[in-house]
Amino acid sequence: GAVVSQHPSWVICKSGTSVKIECRSLDFQATTMFWYRQFPKQSLMLMATSNEGSKATYEQGVEKDKFLINHASLTLSTLTVTSAHPEDSSFYICSALGRGTSTEAFFGQGTRLTVV
Amino acid sequence: AQSVSQHNHHVILSEAASLELGCNYSYGGTVNLFWYVQYPGQHLQLLLKYFSGDPLVKGIKGFEAEFIKSKFSFNLRKPSVQWSDTAEYFCAVGYGGATNKLIFGTGTLLAVQP
Repeated sequence: GAVVSQHPSWVICKSGTSVKIECRSLDFQATTMFWYRQFPKQSLMLMATSNEGSKATYEQGVEKDKFLINHASLTLSTLTVTSAHPEDSSFYICSALGRGTSTEAFFGQGTRLTVV
Repeated sequence: AQSVSQHNHHVILSEAASLELGCNYSYGGTVNLFWYVQYPGQHLQLLLKYFSGDPLVKGIKGFEAEFIKSKFSFNLRKPSVQWSDTAEYFCAVGYGGATNKLIFGTGTLLAVQP
């Protein structure tokens, strides 16, 4: 199947700083990317949907000014957690939907964020 | 709010035992149904999916799932598990015809003992 890569796999940052997470589709063009968050022992929760070249659509309760999403190219979407706080510590996962592929999105390996 | 429930959080089986993992969802309209698997240290991978047609769906690695609309269920089954099936399994539902905007269950961690 197609490959989606996230970077970094894990990151520790100080409270108040910003962290950028990258999601790349390595062997296909991703017209749509999804960002999920998973807290311990909980479901993956969809945060936002981003389409290449347009603004992301955020789910209810997700602060768009805190979680900045950029999908500037067909192979890269970034999630920036601004002014991170310990409660933002979580597992962030992206998935990518290819051009012409309407039934399956491919997932990255996830990024473990710890804010201290 | 739409929700997806996986009844078993942690299952331990011996090799060759049969497996059934439960999944129920809350919405009565059009749904698309998925099971994903995450092997240790790896990405989420699609096991199988149901959009329409035969409610018994066969996926990779000998897994199958049955959609029972009246019970809002999509249980995952495998007649004989192997040690290599040790992984976490997630049920996911796309509501209102959405194929990739998914709501996930909390996951079931399966440990198969050799």
